[in-house]
Amino acid sequence: DTAVSQTPKYLVTQMGNDKSIKCEQNLGHDTMYWYKQDSKKFLKIMFSYNNKELIINETVPNRFSPKSPDKAHLNLHINSLELGDSAVYFCASSLMTSGSGGEQFFGPGTRLTVL
Amino acid sequence: GNSVTQMEGPVTLSEEAFLTINCTYTATGYPSLFWYVQYPGEGLQLLLKATKADDKGSNKGFEATYRKETTSFHLEKGSVQVSDSAVYFCALSAPSGAGSYQLTFGKGTKLSVIP
Repeated sequence: DTAVSQTPKYLVTQMGNDKSIKCEQNLGHDTMYWYKQDSKKFLKIMFSYNNKELIINETVPNRFSPKSPDKAHLNLHINSLELGDSAVYFCASSLMTSGSGGEQFFGPGTRLTVL
Repeated sequence: GNSVTQMEGPVTLSEEAFLTINCTYTATGYPSLFWYVQYPGEGLQLLLKATKADDKGSNKGFEATYRKETTSFHLEKGSVQVSDSAVYFCALSAPSGAGSYQLTFGKGTKLSVIP
C-alpha cells in the first residue's frame, strides 16, 4: 500500500549515458513534483505537474525532461548524464484542492551516482 | 521571493534532553508551515504542520507554533530519544501562481541523539 513509489532506488551509471527514473502515486493526487537533494541535503524543486500539465519548471538543464503519462505517474528522463547530476532525486505528490495548505507526500528517493 | 532559514547543524544531544530547532521564514501572503523529517537512507516524512497563524502542530512529542508576528515556526521536543536522530527540514508552502503550491525548504538540521 505504498503511497509514493520510485524506481529504481539506486542508479549507478557512466557519464554521457541516458537514464530514467519512474514515480507512481496511489493517493489520488492531482499534482506531482520532482526534487533534487544535493550532498549537503539541500532540497530544490525541479518540476511540477498538475493533471499531466507542466506548471513549475525551475532553472534545470534541458537534459532533464519530465513526462507525465497520467495523473498517477511522473517520470524523469535525463540525457547525457554529467558528474554534477549525482544526487538523490525525490518524487512527491499533493492534492491541490485539499485545503491542506499544499502538504506534499514524498517517495523514498532515487540515489543517482554518475561515474 | 519566499525563503526559510533554520539553524545550522549538526546538533548533538543526550537522550532525554530538550530540543529546539529554530526556523524563521519570509513570504508574501499567508503560507502554511511544515516540519519534515528524513531518517537515514529514507525519504521525507511530514512530522507536523500549521496552516494559519497561532496554530500549533504536534506529533510524536514534537510541537511547533505558527507565529506570524515573529515569522517563526520553531520545533521543540521535551525529551529526545536516540530514535529521533534524523535531518529535520522546515518548509513553507505558498501558492505558486501557476495553479499549485510550491514548497520552499530550509537547509535542514541534522540531529544526533546519543545514549
